[in-house]
Amino acid sequence: DIQMTQSPSSLSASVGDRVTITCQASQDISNYLNWYQQKPGKAPKLLIYDASNLETGVPSRFSGSGSGTDFTFTISSLQPEDIATYYCQQYDNSLTFGGGTKVEIK
Amino acid sequence: QVQLVESGGGVVQPGGSLRLSCAASGFTFSSYGMHWVRQAPGKGLEWVAFIRYDGSNKYYADSVKGRFTISRDNSKNTLYLQMNSLRAEDTAVYYCAKDDGVVPAACLYWGQGTLVTVSS
Repeated sequence: DIQMTQSPSSLSASVGDRVTITCQASQDISNYLNWYQQKPGKAPKLLIYDASNLETGVPSRFSGSGSGTDFTFTISSLQPEDIATYYCQQYDNSLTFGGGTKVEIK
Repeated sequence: QVQLVESGGGVVQPGGSLRLSCAASGFTFSSYGMHWVRQAPGKGLEWVAFIRYDGSNKYYADSVKGRFTISRDNSKNTLYLQMNSLRAEDTAVYYCAKDDGVVPAACLYWGQGTLVTVSS
């Protein structure tokens, strides 16, 4: 089974800060990597697919990069509405989610 | 617009069974693969199962293999999850989600979830 390790598990940043989350796969998954946002009490929402492609309607301050085993998710300028937990998810072999990163405002 | 509505959750004793349903609308249900994903209280997301658009292929997480069965009725636009031999660790909100492809890849649209509690 492919394991996905996300870090950090939580972070606190100020409005306007650049926020970076990393996700590491236990084996090469090419670019078969998606990122989701989950706000409290809500279902998750797909933000980025295939490691770097922005889903329609998602603000351009969100971006993703990486391939192989190492991936990065970035919020270029943190906004109050970005408070949420973010998950990576691989689909090279079935699906596996990372443990999540809770983003809070400082 | 795509709408997914789960039902069937509730409280069940360890070792018991439960069947979840997911009613789909707003898209051609018979053309898309579907997932079940769960989230234990205060925990992260765990993928549970996927079924191809025509029901011909099914994939399961190791944690539920042999106990859970995913199925679909394309004439009723409904997805199911039959859960047997339930354990306390199966307690979670269960979401159904729509994929875009033939093999499991992404959960593009999600329902609101239904809570399953396994407790004596």
